[in-house]
Amino acid sequence: EVQLVESGGGLVKPGGSLRLSCAAPGFTLSNAWMSWVRQAPGKGLEWVGRIKNKADGGTTDYAAPVKGRFTLSRDDSENTLSLQMNSLKTEDTAVYYCTTLTPMSGYSGYVKYWGQGTLVTVSS
Amino acid sequence: DIQMTQSPSTLSASVGDRVTITCRASQSISTWLAWYQQKSGKAPRLLIYKASSLESGVPSRFSGSGSGTEFTLTISSLQPDDFATYYCQQYNSYLTFGQGTKVEIK
Repeated sequence: EVQLVESGGGLVKPGGSLRLSCAAPGFTLSNAWMSWVRQAPGKGLEWVGRIKNKADGGTTDYAAPVKGRFTLSRDDSENTLSLQMNSLKTEDTAVYYCTTLTPMSGYSGYVKYWGQGTLVTVSS
Repeated sequence: DIQMTQSPSTLSASVGDRVTITCRASQSISTWLAWYQQKSGKAPRLLIYKASSLESGVPSRFSGSGSGTEFTLTISSLQPDDFATYYCQQYNSYLTFGQGTKVEIK
């Protein structure tokens, strides 16, 4: 069982920035494909972005609504995953989940493990 | 982008009922599809991957089928613990989730 622990959520004004972190005690994040999925209040699930493991190049991809504003990164020395969110909009308000991805045959894969989520509220 | 459409959006059923949820993709995704269950205030839980493979620990009353653009999640005999919202997710091209199907008590 993989435990994922998110932190960094909170209240931020439109146009502001926030950095979310995800820790994984006992699990080496650099070996895994990881992603962030968000869920606006009362709404469905929305994929935000993914980062491949080092062996597969460590590249990142983003959903269209956040491309150019959000950046995924990994700190292998700290074994943490980060999501830097800039130019935040009210529509970015959501619970953000850190997840693993299980790729299959080179495709993005499904989410096997989820964190508990951290709430980001963008409001003036 | 691949769009995923679930039907129905809400389903009212009784304990013991057979329940089927449909998920349609805007283009062929082979069998690169997963299903999740989410209860209020909790993170989703993986039920099915690769359209029909049951995740370890998931009760056998859950099953998935389909390929190409049309998929189904079936609960053979609905249990009290199964009242929740269910999502499909494609992973043929990045990730896209369906809008969800809420299974509520009739």
